[in-house]
Amino acid sequence: DAGVIQSPRHEVTEMGQEVTLRCKPISGHDYLFWYRQTMMRGLELLIYFNNNVPIDDSGMPEDRFSAKMPNASFSTLKIQPSEPRDSAVYFCASSLADRGANSPLHFGNGTRLTVT
Amino acid sequence: AQTVTQSQPEMSVQEAETVTLSCTYDTSESNYYLFWYKQPPSRQMILVIRQEAYKQQNATENRFSVNFQKAAKSFSLKISDSQLGDTAMYFCAFKGETSGSRLTFGEGTQLTVNP
Repeated sequence: DAGVIQSPRHEVTEMGQEVTLRCKPISGHDYLFWYRQTMMRGLELLIYFNNNVPIDDSGMPEDRFSAKMPNASFSTLKIQPSEPRDSAVYFCASSLADRGANSPLHFGNGTRLTVT
Repeated sequence: AQTVTQSQPEMSVQEAETVTLSCTYDTSESNYYLFWYKQPPSRQMILVIRQEAYKQQNATENRFSVNFQKAAKSFSLKISDSQLGDTAMYFCAFKGETSGSRLTFGEGTQLTVNP
């Protein structure tokens, strides 16, 4: 089991550019989550999917943010156009169908995004 | 909405000693699940321990144990025989039975284990 795989590990871009973050969940997991971590706001849930369908995107900060999950093994989080305040670590996580404590989140190693 | 509060932004402990990290939460749900995650400098989020609210027995994983006080809505983490590798940010997290698998995290506690 390779775990949740995120790419790139680091991304540096200029304000106004499009940024795409990628995630491959653990095979067989039904849920996929995108979290953002900053010093000021901690870990925030942006959006999550169940069986590739977006369930709750109320945490997506603005229309500049969008997420897709075209199949069970791939998801993207896109920011267009990017702004300096988007600088953060973005985590992808996946879990099995909800079995309470027996379906904890498994996290990727995160993507550190820096927008200059 | 659920909230999770970790009132200790930073803590330190000497190697081999015991330390307790506090966590409180607020919810109106009757059944829920609680977790502690560890984030070392590598920034990977690692599950440390988990607890079902309907179980009265406190969870234990090797040197890690919890003190779950349901009435007080408290879920503290005790680390025994602290090791240098325990140095990390620790997050308490809540999942309600109606939350659809999402976790709500506390602000985190930075633990430093000193040699």
